Amino acid sequence: QVQLVESGGDLVKPGGSLRLSCAASGFTFSDYYMTWMRQAPGKGLEWVSYISSSGNTIHYADSVKGRFTISRDNAKNSLYLQMNSLRAEDTAVYYCARNLGDCWGQGTLVTVSS
Amino acid sequence: EIVLTQSPDTLSLSPGERATLSCRASQSVSSNYLGWYQQIPGQAPRLLIYGTSSRATGIPNRFSGSGSGTDFTLTISRLEPEDFAVYYCQQYGTSPYTFGQGTKLEIK
Repeated sequence: QVQLVESGGDLVKPGGSLRLSCAASGFTFSDYYMTWMRQAPGKGLEWVSYISSSGNTIHYADSVKGRFTISRDNAKNSLYLQMNSLRAEDTAVYYCARNLGDCWGQGTLVTVSS
Repeated sequence: EIVLTQSPDTLSLSPGERATLSCRASQSVSSNYLGWYQQIPGQAPRLLIYGTSSRATGIPNRFSGSGSGTDFTLTISRLEPEDFAVYYCQQYGTSPYTFGQGTKLEIK
């Protein structure tokens, strides 16, 4: 069955960096665009970034533009989110999703705190 | 960016009743690319409706979506106990693909 498994979440200091990964299985990864979304503790959902199936088209939320980079490796069925210059307000559970959300992973927690 | 405003913030109903959730956009949603998600506490969101009115795979037909332009509605015809959760709308017609703030559906 379709499965998405995120990893890489951790406690990091403000200004630090982190790389999240999402391993996909159960479908032809290279056929789908992929999305990262996040949810701060006790808050609503926020769309973060999108990448097309080939990787040629990428969009970012204004809140992360210039700091986060989405990428994918279709040979490894994997999606990534490189997060630099992290801020306290980036603290959230980060989810990867197929398309714009027809299947979600279980999420990985990123905490930005000194 | 398109701002989505959901109403009400909280809806208190009993099992068996009909639920109507609203999502209003600050500008027209392109191609009616509007989706609805259900989130049970501690779980990842689940897609219910895409393209305003199409049910996602495995979603019961008591869930239906409607609307166009700037006004959209999610209707749950007869509430089951497992339907009490938080519901989010999202537009994916224009980047950034924004979410509404959510409506909490609670048991009365």
